[in-house]
Amino acid sequence: GAGVSQSPSNKVTEKGKDVELRCDPISGHTALYWYRQSLGQGLEFLIYFQGNSAPDKSGLPSDRFSAERTGGSVSTLTIQRTQQEDSAVYLCASSFAGPSETQYFGPGTRLLVL
Amino acid sequence: QKEVEQDPGPLSVPEGAIVSLNCTYSNSAFQYFMWYRQYSRKGPELLMYTYSSGNKEDGRFTAQVDKSSKYISLFIRDSQPSDSATYLCAMILQTGANNLFFGTGTRLTVIP
Repeated sequence: GAGVSQSPSNKVTEKGKDVELRCDPISGHTALYWYRQSLGQGLEFLIYFQGNSAPDKSGLPSDRFSAERTGGSVSTLTIQRTQQEDSAVYLCASSFAGPSETQYFGPGTRLLVL
Repeated sequence: QKEVEQDPGPLSVPEGAIVSLNCTYSNSAFQYFMWYRQYSRKGPELLMYTYSSGNKEDGRFTAQVDKSSKYISLFIRDSQPSDSATYLCAMILQTGANNLFFGTGTRLTVIP
């Protein structure tokens, strides 16, 4: 079956522009997560959705970052007024029920802010 | 101090060698421990998932957790060139917790 998909796979933008990253989780997975992977930093948790609700937004680094999920499926992560330090790989993962279930990752979106 | 510490390597070994990868952590409340493998330009994929202290074996892979020392290990026997990847340890605080805490990853190269 289809795994987690993300688009675009690569995104180059200019500092100050807004970007929108998309995640399509595995069908039937109710939990969805966004992580950021920077060089030498490992994966950093950003936000967790259970259905359309986000009970944990504690990882969002600033108010320039927001995310939503609609229909219990697709999620978008929006970064406003991008900064160079936002350059990273943004990974999405989904799991069947909750955090103790196996999280399946997408291939990521590589964001470069010039 | 990071919650999860992992030697970033890189680590190079000859084919057939035994590989030992390790992480330490600071929060004794971590309950579930995982190892993910990440190939270049791909997302992480789950290799091993263990609960609390003990060993778990799956083929050539053995995961070991020592909660008293706050130390987890992944052993790879008879390493193959296809094992060349970045290995990430990860852990969850408790059932119902929201996110994985990851190490920085160890980059492994197995030389034919």
